[in-house]
Amino acid sequence: AQSVTQLDSQVPVFEEAPVELRCNYSSSVSVYLFWYVQYPNQGLQLLLKYLSGSTLVKGINGFEAEFNKSQTSFHLRKPSVHISDTAEYFCAVSVPKTGNNRKLIWGLGTSLAVNP
Amino acid sequence: GAGVSQTPSNKVTEKGKYVELRCDPISGHTALYWYRQSLGQGPEFLIYFQGTGAADDSGLPNDRFFAVRPEGSVSTLKIQRTERGDSAVYLCASSSPGTAGELFFGEGSRLTVL
Repeated sequence: AQSVTQLDSQVPVFEEAPVELRCNYSSSVSVYLFWYVQYPNQGLQLLLKYLSGSTLVKGINGFEAEFNKSQTSFHLRKPSVHISDTAEYFCAVSVPKTGNNRKLIWGLGTSLAVNP
Repeated sequence: GAGVSQTPSNKVTEKGKYVELRCDPISGHTALYWYRQSLGQGPEFLIYFQGTGAADDSGLPNDRFFAVRPEGSVSTLKIQRTERGDSAVYLCASSSPGTAGELFFGEGSRLTVL
């Protein structure tokens, strides 16, 4: 069965420090990988995605993630965070279903708190 | 419209009442999803529409929950005999074919059952 594990439920960090939010997945089939961000009292917004090609993908707001197939990981990184990056971050994996349909499997989320 | 629109943004109701939540997806998006999100949790899948039909309703928790999408665009999530445990943010998302599962979310409808 497919699953997504976000290894840290909360990550406190100081402003301008680097951050890494970890995500591991389990799947016996090829997957597409996503990171979504949810700012307080808002809906989810796509941060970045990996479909194929280069394993290092860049997203919005200076975030990037690296797909590591051997370690089944898709960790999210930012070299220098801002207060405005405080949000909930969700890792998700898209797996094939019947026909051309796909299903998203979600992690439980990582709460990033950036402190001054 | 430019994005996924959900109404109402907030709904407070009493236990036992009937509630409808509406979702207007991005124009041209054939796939529509409903999720439920409780405080501090990730999105919980409820139902997925491809066009007018429910392609996967395995996430609906019980028969009090029902959703329709009669013309393949706007969808309504209906909850009968609401219970306090139904309190959550109900998220709607849409996607177009060939986007590999990338979803575009609305702001959500916050349901509070007193």
